[in-house]
Amino acid sequence: AAGVIQSPRHLIKEKRETATLKCYPIPRHDTVYWYQQGPGQDPQFLISFYEKMQSDKGSIPDRFSAQQFSDYHSELNMSSLELGDSALYFCASRLGQGGNTIYFGEGSWLTVV
Amino acid sequence: SQQGEEDPQALSIQEGENATMNCSYKTSINNLQWYRQNSGRGLVHLILIRSNEREKHSGRLRVTLDTSKKSSSLLITASRAADTASYFCATDTTSGTYKYIFGTGTRLKVLA
Repeated sequence: AAGVIQSPRHLIKEKRETATLKCYPIPRHDTVYWYQQGPGQDPQFLISFYEKMQSDKGSIPDRFSAQQFSDYHSELNMSSLELGDSALYFCASRLGQGGNTIYFGEGSWLTVV
Repeated sequence: SQQGEEDPQALSIQEGENATMNCSYKTSINNLQWYRQNSGRGLVHLILIRSNEREKHSGRLRVTLDTSKKSSSLLITASRAADTASYFCATDTTSGTYKYIFGTGTRLKVLA
């Protein structure tokens, strides 16, 4: 079965640069979540979308923005990167906003040097 | 603070033993899900338990949910070295927000 696809899997950027992460949800899933997991840390909720609209917001820095497109894929844009942004970024998807299983991608490793 | 808190935060057992991890949460939930994460890898869904369920089994996994105590437990029976991973619970709340909140994971180490 198709899973959540994230790209790129690994990304190295310099401080103050910009990075874009992409997420392709499981077919028919209309809800996407983004999480950030620092080294040795727990996943922290960043932002979620349902039917192309932002549905909730967590601890997402103002330097980050995200959107969900008409085909339900989502992109997380990160600007003015800082060393502390180095983390594993997860995307997850599910059908509907509540009650169903949420499936996660393998994550995108961002290293800021 | 996190919606879910796992207990213990680290657990080391011998292969063949059972491992029990607990999770507590703060608000009312629709369901609670357990995930496994191998180091640096993605989160693998293990089991979903709905708020009207008390116990659920899947292979060597047994999950209980006590909504009166706002807690859940994950039991892994006859553990194997391959079970070494971090385990997280995450909750779907009924509070009107659509965040999906993770607790502090339990780092399980199964010694061969």
